[in-house]
Amino acid sequence: GAVVSQHPSWVICKSGTSVKIECRSLDFQATTMFWYRQFPKQSLMLMATSNEGSKATYEQGVEKDKFLINHASLTLSTLTVTSAHPEDSSFYICSASVLGPYNEQFFGPGTRLTVL
Amino acid sequence: AQKVTQAQTEISVVEKEDVTLDCVYETRDTTYYLFWYKQPPSGELVFLIRRNSFDEQNEISGRYSWNFQKSTSSFNFTITASQVVDSAVYFCALSDLEVSSSNTGKLIFGQGTTLQVKP
Repeated sequence: GAVVSQHPSWVICKSGTSVKIECRSLDFQATTMFWYRQFPKQSLMLMATSNEGSKATYEQGVEKDKFLINHASLTLSTLTVTSAHPEDSSFYICSASVLGPYNEQFFGPGTRLTVL
Repeated sequence: AQKVTQAQTEISVVEKEDVTLDCVYETRDTTYYLFWYKQPPSGELVFLIRRNSFDEQNEISGRYSWNFQKSTSSFNFTITASQVVDSAVYFCALSDLEVSSSNTGKLIFGQGTTLQVKP
């Protein structure tokens, strides 16, 4: 089956630093990748949608300059949390999809970010 | 606007009981997909089922069954003879059926239902 990896699986950083999270589709080429954020005991909230080679589309209320998304290839998308603050602590999940009849997204295992 | 509502925040049952998780959705689209995902404590989402709006047949997979009713915009999930390993957060989600340049197929998730199955 389609496998999506995320790296790192968890990260602890100091306030003010930037953190990069990678999302890779390991055995398929993803036309679209999605980034979600999940706070404890809450649902997944879509942050942005990215297509390879083009700028990401951010959901309303998500700061583009805060959460930089790069989708440089059909197998890799990165999310950089710039100048992270404690309120950015969350579980970040990516998913990758392929254009096709089933609209299926394959989810990564998630990255837990803790900002001290 | 699209919306998914899971009114049950938490459910607690004793092992071997049957349990139904409710999902009600709103969409103006006539074609769409509905999904159920399981999120165990590890955090990784596990895909359970996808149903398109054309197919209202109920589905059974082992102890799991799904009841899709377009008339009430509901897509309920039943676990029969629940087990401790079923303890997790369950999400219902909705997406457009057809992916195009104006529709990326993004998923709209419900709030999730935390299921606790006690031994």
